[in-house]
Amino acid sequence: LAKTTQPISMDSYEGQEVNITCSHNNIATNDYITWYQQFPSQGPRFIIQGYKTKVTNEVASLFIPADRKSSTLSLPRVSLSDTAVYYCLVDANFGNEKLTFGTGTRLTIIP
Amino acid sequence: NAGVTQTPKFQVLKTGQSMTLQCAQDMNHNSMYWYRQDPGMGLRLIYYSASEGTTDKGEVPNGYNVSRLNKREFSLRLESAAPSQTSVYFCASSDLGQTYEQYFGPGTRLTVT
Repeated sequence: LAKTTQPISMDSYEGQEVNITCSHNNIATNDYITWYQQFPSQGPRFIIQGYKTKVTNEVASLFIPADRKSSTLSLPRVSLSDTAVYYCLVDANFGNEKLTFGTGTRLTIIP
Repeated sequence: NAGVTQTPKFQVLKTGQSMTLQCAQDMNHNSMYWYRQDPGMGLRLIYYSASEGTTDKGEVPNGYNVSRLNKREFSLRLESAAPSQTSVYFCASSDLGQTYEQYFGPGTRLTVT
């Protein structure tokens, strides 16, 4: 049973806000929600992590509803350089060395 | 800081040949990881090392061995390469207790013919 489900691909125009939703119906109490970004021919890069409610940093926001069965990564005013694959991960934070990457969402920004 | 470095960047092997992929990090991280990524797929964990002197199997360890040479270096060895091991290999590291924020190297693209 997959730990997370997210859209395979999304397209958006430059300057728009992009929201990528991830479903994680079987999230455990100890699990945190983490998002990574991967550009072609590069390793993934950590974007943001949260446990509940809302988290914001200089790159993105993460919205997590009270039941924690889903989460939404929000990218404000995207540019062409935001074209990448975005991975939603659900894993225990401390003490669990095994991050589980799914197939991710391929986001394409259109000029 | 170079972060996480990997050598080589590209490698072509014939079936049955052996090779070692090298990884080093200069961030004084305790934990290091090896992943493989097949075309159009997410990353799968091969082996990890929570600290110097320890290694553990990940999701897909068969056909690989690892060595945590010291705190900085973590190598991945293919003893007898097979075409199914054609993939991009990523090394990563993280602080103790901060597994969620892993720092990845640029990858090694391996082709086995």
